[in-house]
Amino acid sequence: SQKIEQNSEALNIQEGKTATLTCNYTNYSPAYLQWYRQDPGRGPVFLLLIRENEKEKRKERLKVTFDTTLKQSLFHITASQPADSATYLCAPPGNTGKLIFGQGTTLQVKP
Amino acid sequence: EAQVTQNPRYLITVTGKKLTVTCSQNMNHEYMSWYRQDPGLGLRQIYYSMNVEVTDKGDVPEGYKVSRKEKRNFPLILESPSPNQTSLYFCASRFGAGEAYEQYFGPGTRLTVT
Repeated sequence: SQKIEQNSEALNIQEGKTATLTCNYTNYSPAYLQWYRQDPGRGPVFLLLIRENEKEKRKERLKVTFDTTLKQSLFHITASQPADSATYLCAPPGNTGKLIFGQGTTLQVKP
Repeated sequence: EAQVTQNPRYLITVTGKKLTVTCSQNMNHEYMSWYRQDPGLGLRQIYYSMNVEVTDKGDVPEGYKVSRKEKRNFPLILESPSPNQTSLYFCASRFGAGEAYEQYFGPGTRLTVT
């Protein structure tokens, strides 16, 4: 069955460094993938959508890649700041077309 | 300001006591849905609505009801809550039925059923 995997271990990095989060999917090939940010106790907030033919998409300090061969999307935050600390969710559509949310990876940026 | 609102934000109730969580959006979105979020399980869709008077089950609909009488409102009803419905609930809306549209989430309702 289709599966979405994000690293369940928190990612701790130093301010100013680049954070890289991974989203792997198995047993199918989504046509696009969304990324959301979620702060503790709050609703997810949409960040970016990348389509399978885009390979890479940027928004300010954010960059998302989509490798259909590796079945993986990478989410990068460059020049990270403590305010970037949050949980980041990837959400590709499943075989039914509905979004499937990964469990998220928590990023902690230390000053 | 474009937003999705939910009420109440926190609720503690007892088994079997009917409750309703309200959800409203001010963006004229056609599509609305309800999710629950549990540790280790992520966000799971409960019910969704493609438009007024059109609702359908999501992945975990058992024990829940919804209605969509107006475009802006999409209440979640628990007729007889049970402890396994203790969870963090989110209402979400988006412009259309297409899954590629970004979703706007409400602030969440933390429900505890004892």
